[in-house]
Amino acid sequence: DQQVKQNSPSLSVQEGRISILNCDYTNSMFDYFLWYKKYPAEGPTFLISISSIKDKNEDGRFTVFLNKSAKHLSLHIVPSQPGDSAVYFCAASAYYNQGGKLIFGQGTELSVKP
Amino acid sequence: GAVVSQHPSRVICKSGTSVKIECRSLDFQATTMFWYRQFPKQSLMLMATSNEGSKATYEQGVEKDKFLINHASLTLSTLTVTSAHPEDSSFYICSASLGPYEKLFFGSGTQLSVL
Repeated sequence: DQQVKQNSPSLSVQEGRISILNCDYTNSMFDYFLWYKKYPAEGPTFLISISSIKDKNEDGRFTVFLNKSAKHLSLHIVPSQPGDSAVYFCAASAYYNQGGKLIFGQGTELSVKP
Repeated sequence: GAVVSQHPSRVICKSGTSVKIECRSLDFQATTMFWYRQFPKQSLMLMATSNEGSKATYEQGVEKDKFLINHASLTLSTLTVTSAHPEDSSFYICSASLGPYEKLFFGSGTQLSVL
């Protein structure tokens, strides 16, 4: 049972435009969500997070939106840059129930074209 | 940010041998570390939670006798893949956090190829 789903395996965006990556989850106990960026043969690097008490968190070009009623979160990157090309994973955790373990989505490969 | 060091970055071994992967938290103490595995084009799957001074907690379907985890100190956890077989070939990644509600920091990963 995939508790965290990223239904788009890939996304292609023109440089300067907005990239929107989506993530859905099924476990209502999740209360902490993160986005990670990953290059091939490297470990993931943290981008941005949001707790369930918020519906938006912004850090520079990156904004994460959380819609708890829809069990949906999204990552907006604006403006997109060629260096943003990577695989993006959303992850979720229910700290009090799962001891801090992260459940990852399948990833979305973002390609930003010059 | 906090640094997690993982070594080696790449291992090629013969079937039947054992491989040890080290994960160190360089500038903080980690009472808990997590080991993940990623197959090509797939998600990162949690294998086990490594607890300092106690037994690791394995996820369903992960053989504890095959994937031995030792967390002997607050800065070091090791994963040993025993009697490795080609189907164990994967990208193994460790992670640690500064505490509850703190983000996970990941090591750079180990690409294991079993011939």
